[in-house]
Amino acid sequence: TQLLEQSPQFLSIQEGENLTVYCNSSSVFSSLQWYRQEPGEGPVLLVTVVTGGEVKKLKRLTFQFGDARKDSSLHITAAQPGDTGLYLCAYKGAAGNKLTFGGGTRVLVKP
Amino acid sequence: GAVVSQHPSWVICKSGTSVKIECRSLDFQATTMFWYRQFPKQSLMLMATSNEGSKATYEQGVEKDKFLINHASLTLSTLTVTSAHPEDSSFYICSARDQTSGYEQYFGPGTRLTVT
Repeated sequence: TQLLEQSPQFLSIQEGENLTVYCNSSSVFSSLQWYRQEPGEGPVLLVTVVTGGEVKKLKRLTFQFGDARKDSSLHITAAQPGDTGLYLCAYKGAAGNKLTFGGGTRVLVKP
Repeated sequence: GAVVSQHPSWVICKSGTSVKIECRSLDFQATTMFWYRQFPKQSLMLMATSNEGSKATYEQGVEKDKFLINHASLTLSTLTVTSAHPEDSSFYICSARDQTSGYEQYFGPGTRLTVT
């Protein structure tokens, strides 16, 4: 059982549609991070959310941290084929050390 | 800035042989690097934490004698898969922690290992 549960595991949508990816846990986190990984590459950090209830925007991507700091969501508006990839949430262990990732959500945006 | 490279990007080796993967921080010093393994359609799983000048710390279930880690300098960590078997075929990714930027981790592009 993973500490961070991501849902759905896979999402296939048409270009222009919206989508939401969830990252849930029963634990409280000081912060959560979201990464995107494209096939054959390493993950790239998109955002770090720190404050409960926080909303951050990165162009068409909107990230929200739950009020209780147990969950987070990623919403993509008007998805484009370039948004295709594996979206991972992660938390840092004590003293900012090792990262633990959720299971990931694979997103496919069809043109 | 904050670029991490890996070499090779892909490698094919025969069962029973050893293969070394390098991870370099190109424009910053990293006292700590991390090695992850990723199987197809799965997430990243941390294998070990590599500390410059000291022994690596392995996660539970990872064989330290099979996955040898050396972090001999502030910009280079190596992972050697010894006596590789087909089940070791995977995507190996390293990350390096930059102490000057809030301990953020920057990931390398990964190394695809195929053991035949």
